[in-house]
Amino acid sequence: QVQLQESGPGLVKTSQTLSLTCTVSGGSISSGGYYWSWIRQHPGKGLEWIGYIYYSGSSYYNPSLKSRVTMSVDRSKNELSLRLSSVTAADTAVYYCARAESGGWSKYYLDYWGQGTLVTVSS
Amino acid sequence: DIQMTQSPSTLSASVGDRVTITCRASQSISTWLAWYQQKPGKAPNLLIYKASTLESGVPSRFSGSGSGTEFTLTISSLQPDDFATYYCQQYDSYPLTFGGGTKVEIK
Repeated sequence: QVQLQESGPGLVKTSQTLSLTCTVSGGSISSGGYYWSWIRQHPGKGLEWIGYIYYSGSSYYNPSLKSRVTMSVDRSKNELSLRLSSVTAADTAVYYCARAESGGWSKYYLDYWGQGTLVTVSS
Repeated sequence: DIQMTQSPSTLSASVGDRVTITCRASQSISTWLAWYQQKPGKAPNLLIYKASTLESGVPSRFSGSGSGTEFTLTISSLQPDDFATYYCQQYDSYPLTFGGGTKVEIK
């Protein structure tokens, strides 16, 4: 069974870059057929899709964050990464990585999720 | 962006009750809709995709229906493990968007 595990600093200073890694086990990122996604959840709030990336590097980002987001994959380590630049307190959230499964017609839903990691942005 | 609106935002129910949650999309999304269950401190868990297809391992008391702009998640007989927050999510177009959530509480 596929498992995902987020890791990275729990505290990031305002205006700096948030960097997170998601390690995938039980399946290969390079096997194809899936996108690999990042989602965040502000404390006590709903869910916000950040974007996703294919193993080839093809990616889709939420326009609301696109100017600050970079996603990448490291196929040798079976990992994906998220970088979010110029962070503010509004970026404080639990960050999840998830696998996006194809439901046909290039439509992807999120079937496996990591446990999430809380990132706090503070000066 | 496609806006997803869930109702109610909070629902109080008892064990054994039949529970229905509604999700409306701001434009047609065909059946490209998923439902997730989230418990406090945990990641969301996929229940249903393509509006009505039950994810493997999910109890059959959960069911989904709808197409276009109106969708429902039904729990036929609420169990103690079902008290949680439920989210709908459209995956018809980018950006993927979620409903605001429905918290199912013990009555």
